[in-house]
Amino acid sequence: QKEVEQNSGPLSVPEGAIASLNCTYSDRGSQSFFWYRQYSGKSPELIMSIYSNGDKEDGRFTAQLNKASQYVSLLIRDSQPSDSATYLCAVRARGGADGLTFGKGTHLIIQP
Amino acid sequence: GAVVSQHPSWVICKSGTSVKIECRSLDFQATTMFWYRQFPKQSLMLMATSNEGSKATYEQGVEKDKFLINHASLTLSTLTVTSAHPEDSSFYICSARGLRTGELFFGEGSRLTVL
Repeated sequence: QKEVEQNSGPLSVPEGAIASLNCTYSDRGSQSFFWYRQYSGKSPELIMSIYSNGDKEDGRFTAQLNKASQYVSLLIRDSQPSDSATYLCAVRARGGADGLTFGKGTHLIIQP
Repeated sequence: GAVVSQHPSWVICKSGTSVKIECRSLDFQATTMFWYRQFPKQSLMLMATSNEGSKATYEQGVEKDKFLINHASLTLSTLTVTSAHPEDSSFYICSARGLRTGELFFGEGSRLTVL
């Protein structure tokens, strides 16, 4: 069974600091990796996608992927109170025919 | 990014009634849409994969006769919760895959409350 694991938190980070969110996955055949942000009562919003090993940067966000370790992370630089949300890690297996498998999410709190 | 619209955003119904939720891709054609369910403080759980013009594929444990999915066109998929019960109360979210990158774009979600 495919599993995606995240620390549920809450993870508390001071405003302006770097928030680091981590995710591990069990299916070694996974090919596509996504980070979604979900505010309470709202549907998820895509933040980053990453498909190959290494780092991918987009503004204040950096996604990191290590397929050998089956590990993907999201760094948020210069954290803002508006970044406070639940961050969901999602993984798609090889082939891409399936819907994504989501982790339970990490609740991030940015302290002003 | 692609836009996916979901309607209604919230609905309250009596136990035993049926509720239909619509999911539309507004600016692209989606041959495949996905329906998720999310209980409070839980993650999204995939219920079924909806394919245009064919029967939906349901995940293990999801009753296909209770959660009817119709994907009659490339821009519309519907989920009907039949004979709803209080335990069906949840946040139902549809999503569609972008054709170029495979990223999933989500609808706004529909919060169902069954009394």
